[in-house]
Amino acid sequence: GIQVEQSPPDLILQEGANSTLRCNFSDSVNNLQWFHQNPWGQLINLFYIPSGTKQNGRLSATTVATERYSLLYISSSQTTDSGVYFCAVEQGFQKLVFGTGTRLLVSP
Amino acid sequence: DTAVSQTPKYLVTQMGNDKSIKCEQNLGHDTMYWYKQDSKKFLKIMFSYNNKELIINETVPNRFSPKSPDKAHLNLHINSLELGDSAVYFCASSQAGGPRTSYEQYFGPGTRLTVT
Repeated sequence: GIQVEQSPPDLILQEGANSTLRCNFSDSVNNLQWFHQNPWGQLINLFYIPSGTKQNGRLSATTVATERYSLLYISSSQTTDSGVYFCAVEQGFQKLVFGTGTRLLVSP
Repeated sequence: DTAVSQTPKYLVTQMGNDKSIKCEQNLGHDTMYWYKQDSKKFLKIMFSYNNKELIINETVPNRFSPKSPDKAHLNLHINSLELGDSAVYFCASSQAGGPRTSYEQYFGPGTRLTVT
């Protein structure tokens, strides 16, 4: 099956710093989503981005489908950005395969 | 106006018991899913239903039985609970996709199941 790897596995930032999270996948996909799992365990949709670039406030994402990777950019990080960031890909029939996640801690 | 809701949020039970988790979505979606998140935070699909029909069954033990009374509800019943069933279970929904068509999935708040 498809492999989804995220890097880095852990990231510690000072408030206000910028960061880039990476998601590599081993095969072509129909769909790619980025999620934020907050400290209360909720999975929050960030981006639905099978290709191209999208921006939402301080967050943006870029997926280069032909090269099988996606990047999530967080600018001017805040403590509320802490949590685990997952990318998930789908090859057919809506079966999302999740990456291993990047655990982010933003300290004040 | 919750989009995908699950009950209960927490469930603590003893080995051998039978329990159910309920899921409802008010997004008008045709497809619903169950995912399991283990203690290492790894998320994996268990089942998907499209308009009450089972589409995906990811080699889950047959102690787990999903039931979809209508396309807005997908419940998960677990028989003879084991210690290894302890996890967070997430329900999700989306529009119906196919081999080359996919849509964004929206997740419920999760149910933390603890088996003692």
